[in-house]
Amino acid sequence: EVHLLESGGDLIQPGGSLRLSCAASGFSFSTYAMNWVRQAPGKGLEWVSAITGSGGGTSYTDSVKGRFTISRDNSENTLYLQMNSLKAEDTAIYYCAREMEGRHFDFDFWGQGILVTVSS
Amino acid sequence: QSMLTQPPSVSAAPGQKVTISCSGGSSNIGNNDVSWYQQLPGTSPKLLIYENNKRPSGIPDRFSGSKSGTSATLGITGLQTGDEADYYCGTWDGTLTAGLFGGGTKLTVL
Repeated sequence: EVHLLESGGDLIQPGGSLRLSCAASGFSFSTYAMNWVRQAPGKGLEWVSAITGSGGGTSYTDSVKGRFTISRDNSENTLYLQMNSLKAEDTAIYYCAREMEGRHFDFDFWGQGILVTVSS
Repeated sequence: QSMLTQPPSVSAAPGQKVTISCSGGSSNIGNNDVSWYQQLPGTSPKLLIYENNKRPSGIPDRFSGSKSGTSATLGITGLQTGDEADYYCGTWDGTLTAGLFGGGTKLTVL
């Protein structure tokens, strides 16, 4: 059974840093591209970042470029999101999501989400 | 404001049919496949439709998708109270080289 479990969320001050993790199980992790999607309180979904199965290719939404870094450790079946220079507008539930094999931007499995709150 | 435009809300009676539109442009829907997600209150999103009109295993055929030009549509027939949720369309934008979601549509089953 596919399972994605996020961790690392916290209350953090503006300008601070945080690293989110997403532990994957139940599938061949390195075969799949992975993404981070966030949802601000009471708002809609916002795509944040993607990484290829090998980790060799990454992409980001403009609002996080230069501040966030997506990475993965295929030996540990774990996806990461390093978030620096955090802003209040980064406050959201962050979901990791798996892209369907051979597909692009079709997310067939999602984690339960982890809350990041940026506030002084 | 999202580059994919969805109506904020739709409503219909149990047993009836509803459609939810998703309007974009040539750089996104016009040249890429669309997926649809259902988010029940307090839960993670769930994939309903991928590649414009395909249903993952376990998704009932009450849910359907279509795409024409720069717009996509989600259809739900035989509405049930359990279908009350937020629905999102999503696709890739080749010009932005970024993923996009619509603003979401809240479905109320009266």
